[in-house]
Amino acid sequence: EIVLTQSPGTLSLSPGERATLSCRASQSVSTSYLAWYQQKPGQAPRLLIYGASSRATGIPDRFSGSGSGTDFTLTISRLEPEDFAVYYCQQYGSSYTFGQGTKLEIK
Amino acid sequence: QVQLVESGGGVVQPGRSLRLSCAASGFTFSYYAMHWLRQAPGKGLEWVALISYDGSNKYFAASVKGRFTISRDNSNNTLYLQMNSLRAEDTAVYYCATAQGGGYQGPFDIWGQGTMVTVSS
Repeated sequence: EIVLTQSPGTLSLSPGERATLSCRASQSVSTSYLAWYQQKPGQAPRLLIYGASSRATGIPDRFSGSGSGTDFTLTISRLEPEDFAVYYCQQYGSSYTFGQGTKLEIK
Repeated sequence: QVQLVESGGGVVQPGRSLRLSCAASGFTFSYYAMHWLRQAPGKGLEWVALISYDGSNKYFAASVKGRFTISRDNSNNTLYLQMNSLRAEDTAVYYCATAQGGGYQGPFDIWGQGTMVTVSS
């Protein structure tokens, strides 16, 4: 099983700042089958990024994904108030596993 | 619009059974593989089960294999999760979802709102 480790566990930033979230895999993720999700309290996760760097439909361009192999990054260029949430990475190349999440909170 | 609506959650005693349903609309359900995932309170996400578009292939997470079964009724656009021998650690919000493109290997792009299952005596 591919284990995904996200860091940091909590990220405290202010609106307008840049956020960088990391996801490291225990083994290489095939064909960059890596996705990022945003989840707000009481809601289902929302797909943001798939294929490591492709934005899902309707996702603002301030969200971007990068990386390959075992190291992946989600960047939010300028934080908006609605971006404060929990973010999960997920690999879907070998079954399906998720990271433990990064909580992005307002500083 | 594309929509998935789960139902059937509730409080159940350890060792008992529960069946969840997921009603699909807004897309051709019979063309899509379907998944169940869950999220324990305050915890992360866990994939639970997958069924192929025609129900001929089924896959389960190790944590539920032998206790949970997945099925579908394409004539009524409904997905099911039969949960037997429930344990306290099965307590979670259960989501149904589709993978992008409707196949096995894709990110989960459509999610239901979830239904809560609590296993407690």
